[in-house]
Amino acid sequence: DVKVTQSSRYLVKRTGEKVFLECVQDMDHENMFWYRQDPGLGLRLIYFSYDVKMKEKGDIPEGYSVSREKKERFSLILESASTNQTSMYLCASSLAGGTYEQYFGPGTRLTVT
Amino acid sequence: GENVEQHPSTLSVQEGDSAVIKCTYSDSASNYFPWYKQELGKRPQLIIDIRSNVGEKKDQRIAVTLNKTAKHFSLHITETQPEDSAVYFCAASFTGGGNKLTFGTGTQLKVEL
Repeated sequence: DVKVTQSSRYLVKRTGEKVFLECVQDMDHENMFWYRQDPGLGLRLIYFSYDVKMKEKGDIPEGYSVSREKKERFSLILESASTNQTSMYLCASSLAGGTYEQYFGPGTRLTVT
Repeated sequence: GENVEQHPSTLSVQEGDSAVIKCTYSDSASNYFPWYKQELGKRPQLIIDIRSNVGEKKDQRIAVTLNKTAKHFSLHITETQPEDSAVYFCAASFTGGGNKLTFGTGTQLKVEL
């Protein structure tokens, strides 16, 4: 069974803190993605990675960075958290090639105060 | 980049009625169109998808239609049940590379008894 896990379901951080969100998949997928989900805005792509140590910016990369040192693990980093980064963060993974189905993690609800 | 518009943002139907959600996309080269269902507090899950070489696909009570010329696709749910209540997202493949998807803004479907 496909499995994507995220390090925390709920997280509360203070403005200016460095925040790490971690995602792990056990399906040997090449592609991994980070989205943020906000009401009325759908799922917006922050960053994605198509291979170890490879990354590309998505639609809203400002204020975020990522790290992919191992195939199964993709981390999202908020260098200096701000209140406008309060959101639901979803990780997803997919196989490379012509198959586009993405499998999602359970999400991390981040609150920045 | 790709743009996907989704309507309506909320939809309320009586149990047993049909529900239709519509999406339009901007990139004529998009060739994969999935629909995800997200129940309250859960992760998005793929319920049906269609590729550009097919005009319609059906799976029990759900169906998706694609009009490539008009660049729009629709989700049809027949004989709706309370468990169909959820947020539904359409998406289109982004031909810029990396197996990316661009998501619509979501439709909150409520099936009333």
